Amino acid sequence: DAKTTQPPSMDCAEGRAANLPCNHSTISGNEYVYWYRQIHSQGPQYIIHGLKNNETNEMASLIITEDRKSSTLILPHATLRDTAVYYCIVRALGQAGTALIFGKGTTLSVSS
Amino acid sequence: DSGVTQTPKHLITATGQRVTLRCSPRSGDLSVYWYQQSLDQGLQFLIQYYNGEERAKGNILERFSAQQFPDLHSELNLSSLELGDSALYFCASSAPDRSYGYTFGSGTRLTVV
Repeated sequence: DAKTTQPPSMDCAEGRAANLPCNHSTISGNEYVYWYRQIHSQGPQYIIHGLKNNETNEMASLIITEDRKSSTLILPHATLRDTAVYYCIVRALGQAGTALIFGKGTTLSVSS
Repeated sequence: DSGVTQTPKHLITATGQRVTLRCSPRSGDLSVYWYQQSLDQGLQFLIQYYNGEERAKGNILERFSAQQFPDLHSELNLSSLELGDSALYFCASSAPDRSYGYTFGSGTRLTVV
């Protein structure tokens, strides 16, 4: 079962920031928080990940609370192409890797 | 192009038949993962291979099997197909300790009629 809780849907106006929350209250010390998104039946796309520090890349920013029990993905200037299902996943690293277990995610709808 | 190649892109077959889906992982990646996505089930993890060996199993039916070959490509075999097996099947790959996780292919859409 997925170890995260996300709202089923969110709306955002084009050009505004989209803030997608995620609760992961049972996260372990060695587990990272990953965000992926899936645009209409395409393969899921990696967005960003982090352990405990806030992270930023060209796509988004990830804010993780100090107790690591929740996080927020921020798309600073949402566009129509950001309409997708966004998945928050916790995962530990390992030499062989561990399976990403997807929950239901948040469907983000960006409108003009 | 993500670097993960899945073939075929589309497949239509009849109930009771057997099909093979193929995945070539991203260069350098040793792990391959298979996922099934049907309309009402979301992304379901099926099975993982690492460097040729089965590493983890998820919700994979006994009618389904997979293997990873020495050149690291993987095949997912689906047999005695039922209407409910109609779905998108995704393959993903990852490298040891590559912290950014997986790279997914574009999927194979299987339709069982």
